[in-house]
Amino acid sequence: DTEVTQTPKHLVMGMTNKKSLKCEQHMGHRAMYWYKQKAKKPPELMFVYSYEKLSINESVPSRFSPECPNSSLLNLHLHALQPEDSALYLCASSQRPGTSGGAPYEQYFGPGTRLTVT
Amino acid sequence: AQTVTQSQPEMSVQEAETVTLSCTYDTSESDYYLFWYKQPPSRQMILVIRQEAYKQQNATENRFSVNFQKAAKSFSLKISDSQLGDAAMYFCAYRSEETSGSRLTFGEGTQLTVNP
Repeated sequence: DTEVTQTPKHLVMGMTNKKSLKCEQHMGHRAMYWYKQKAKKPPELMFVYSYEKLSINESVPSRFSPECPNSSLLNLHLHALQPEDSALYLCASSQRPGTSGGAPYEQYFGPGTRLTVT
Repeated sequence: AQTVTQSQPEMSVQEAETVTLSCTYDTSESDYYLFWYKQPPSRQMILVIRQEAYKQQNATENRFSVNFQKAAKSFSLKISDSQLGDAAMYFCAYRSEETSGSRLTFGEGTQLTVNP
C-alpha cells in the first residue's frame, strides 16, 4: 500500500477561522512533508518532518503551524489566513529522509486539500 | 541555489506518437538526483522516472525514458506510444544530497495534451 491520504478534500474558511488539515500514511515512512501548490505552478516546500521532529521550515508564516503527533500522522493547523493562502496543500511521505545505497527515498504524494480562504 | 527550467509551458502529441519534454537545470554540485513527476487533473503527483547523476546510463521505465546530458545540464523526458492517460502536468525536479537534504526543486511544469 503506497497511499497517502489527506482530509478534507476541500476546505473553505474565513480569515478569522481556525482549521486543520490532516495527512496520514501507514507505510512506516519516517519523513513527511507539506507543500503548497498554486494553480498551474509547481509545489513549494513548506515543512519537513524527520522522525517526528521538524527538520525544515521554509520560512513559512506563523499562521501555518505543523504538527506531527506520531509517525503516521501529520497535521497543518491554520489560523488567521489570508486570501492569498488559497491553494492546494499537498502532503508527501518518504521511507526515510535522505538516501540509501545511493538512491533517494521516493516521496509519495497525497491527493491534496483544496483550500479557499474568503 | 539550484534552478530548474522547463521551457515548454504546453505541449501536445497525437495518441501513439512520441513526445519529448525538455528540462535544464543549473547547479554547481556533483551529487544530485533528477526526477520527472506527473500530475494528472485528479491532482495526485506521481513519480514517473528518476536519474542518479553519477550514472551515465539513461533511465527507462516502460514507455518513459530520459536523455540525461550531465555536461549540458539537460534532462529531457521522452514518452513513446503516447496514451490518453499520459495527459497531465509534468514537473522536472532536482534534488541535491550535498546541501539541501530532502528538498525537491521543481521546474514550472509542462502541460501535456494527448489528442486522440
